[in-house]
Amino acid sequence: DAKTTQPNSMESNEEEPVHLPCNHSTISGTDYIHWYRQLPSQGPEYVIHGLTSNVNNRMASLAIAEDRKSSTLILHRATLRDAAVYYCILCTNTNAGKSTFGDGTTLTVKP
Amino acid sequence: DAGVIQSPRHEVTEMGQEVTLRCKPISGHNSLFWYRQTMMRGLELLIYFNNNVPIDDSGMPEDRFSAKMPNASFSTLKIQPSEPRDSAVYFCASRADRVEKLFFGSGTQLSVL
Repeated sequence: DAKTTQPNSMESNEEEPVHLPCNHSTISGTDYIHWYRQLPSQGPEYVIHGLTSNVNNRMASLAIAEDRKSSTLILHRATLRDAAVYYCILCTNTNAGKSTFGDGTTLTVKP
Repeated sequence: DAGVIQSPRHEVTEMGQEVTLRCKPISGHNSLFWYRQTMMRGLELLIYFNNNVPIDDSGMPEDRFSAKMPNASFSTLKIQPSEPRDSAVYFCASRADRVEKLFFGSGTQLSVL
């Protein structure tokens, strides 16, 4: 299975942009890049996903490198409610879509 | 839509007892996943089903764990006998297609004394 690598932790100040990186150097051509976050005492929730092109939604933006070996989740203005563990995972069209989570990045937002 | 529904929310049991966790996926979703989360091991994939068929159970810790999906709207994860090291939060998730987003339930907090 293709794996992802993320920094263990990151810090941000409130109302500043946050760029959360993810490396996935063994990604295959049909793997989608998904981002989820897990707030304290809750289940993971979907944030955004993409294949090749950059994506935007109301929560965040996803920037995907041209070679697709890395991606960056961008929170444009971090709030205290964005403090969570952020997971980058690959969702494959093969193997019935097995989805394995790594350790994620713990984002701390300082007021 | 009610989302993925898990029950119970909390379960406290004694070592050796049988524990059954339940999950109702979102209607129309054809994939269902069981995850376990602990501080030490993070979020682990235990087993997943596609169209009610178990595809990969390599994450199931041992024979004490079993999972079933008798129909598209219900799945169970059973631990028999339970041990203290099984204490964790167990999440169920479902999705409509292989590369679509996962929807997680609220989890079951299991404590085995």
